[in-house]
Amino acid sequence: RKEVEQDPGPFNVPEGATVAFNCTYSNSASQSFFWYRQDCRKEPKLLMSVYSSGNEDGRFTAQLNRASQYISLLIRDSKLSDSATYLCVAMNSGYSTLTFGKGTMLLVSP
Amino acid sequence: NAGVTQTPKFRVLKTGQSMTLLCAQDMNHEYMYWYRQDPGMGLRLIHYSVGEGTTAKGEVPDGYNVSRLKKQNFLLGLESAAPSQTSVYFCASSSSGGLGTEAFFGQGTRLTVV
Repeated sequence: RKEVEQDPGPFNVPEGATVAFNCTYSNSASQSFFWYRQDCRKEPKLLMSVYSSGNEDGRFTAQLNRASQYISLLIRDSKLSDSATYLCVAMNSGYSTLTFGKGTMLLVSP
Repeated sequence: NAGVTQTPKFRVLKTGQSMTLLCAQDMNHEYMYWYRQDPGMGLRLIHYSVGEGTTAKGEVPDGYNVSRLKKQNFLLGLESAAPSQTSVYFCASSSSGGLGTEAFFGQGTRLTVV
């Protein structure tokens, strides 16, 4: 079983839509969580960290539920430029390595 | 403002050939990583280093070796390339850990083994 699991999608949404991605992790000792964004044939880049209290950055909101070992990302008012693959990431208990999910592809259409 | 730089960007190897991928970072980061990314598999950790002179195995280390002789450089070696090592290789670095530490990635090396 993969340590971090995501629905691969693709999620096809129109501009302006709200879309939510979910992610589950199996290692209860994982300490930190992130969402990374990866454009086609490019390197992953940090979108946002995920905190237990939930956090928001503009149109993006991330939530963490440690009891259910579940992470979510909500994107409001989707833009064409949001089209990308979104990677859910867990940092291990020693803070030394990151485990990536396989990614969820988002396609935003006009 | 280089960040993490990988060399080369593209390479085609014949089965059995050897090569070294170079990763250099200018952010004085302690931690460095090598990942490979294959379709449908996501990013998988090959080897990593938590400081100069240290290395450790990741999820898929077989067929690869690494060295971290200088803090800013992390080398990934393929001694005898196999077609199964055809992949996109990403190097990353991060500061010395802690909650919320961001990893910065290089632009990737596209390797084809024929």
